[in-house]
Amino acid sequence: GAVVSQHPSRVICKSGTSVKIECRSLDFQATTMFWYRQFPKQSLMLMATSNEGSKATYEQGVEKDKFLINHASLTLSTLTVTSAHPEDSSFYICRAGGNTEAFFGQGTRLTVV
Amino acid sequence: AQKITQTQPGMFVQEKEAVTLDCTYDTSDQSYGLFWYKQPSSGEMIFLIYQGSYDEQNATEGRYSLNFQKARKSANLVISASQLGDSAMYFCAMREGLSSSASKIIFGSGTRLSIRP
Repeated sequence: GAVVSQHPSRVICKSGTSVKIECRSLDFQATTMFWYRQFPKQSLMLMATSNEGSKATYEQGVEKDKFLINHASLTLSTLTVTSAHPEDSSFYICRAGGNTEAFFGQGTRLTVV
Repeated sequence: AQKITQTQPGMFVQEKEAVTLDCTYDTSDQSYGLFWYKQPSSGEMIFLIYQGSYDEQNATEGRYSLNFQKARKSANLVISASQLGDSAMYFCAMREGLSSSASKIIFGSGTRLSIRP
């Protein structure tokens, strides 16, 4: 079946630095990808919809200047957390493709110290 | 607006027993898809089962079945013969439209299932 690969799986960064997370569709083209954030013991919350060749669409309350999304090709979307702060520590996971089965990346656990 | 409700924050079940995880949804769309995902402590999202709003029969995948009651807007997950490895977080989710990879999927708050040996 289709596979979505997300990298890195875990990252620790210093407060004030930026972190880039990659989401790749390995055997299909994805014009649309989705980024979610999950705080401990909570559900997945949709952050934004990443559109190939155009601007991302952000959900209400998500700062587009803080969470930069780039979808430059049909197989790659990146999420950059800029000027990260401890409150940005969370589990970030991408989703792509699928009709009767949506495919998720493995997730990235971000810790900002 | 779409909404998914899971009213059971946690459940404990004896191994080998069947368990039902509740899910109700709200949407004004006629066409939609319903999903169940399992999330172990590693964080990965494991697809379990899918039901389209026009599917007349309840979906089944091995030990998993989805009890779809459209009029009541419920999509409960039934796990038969539970196993220790079933201990995880379970999320019910819904997508607008029947088959569109470009449509949003929203999630319920989840149910933490713990299987007792």
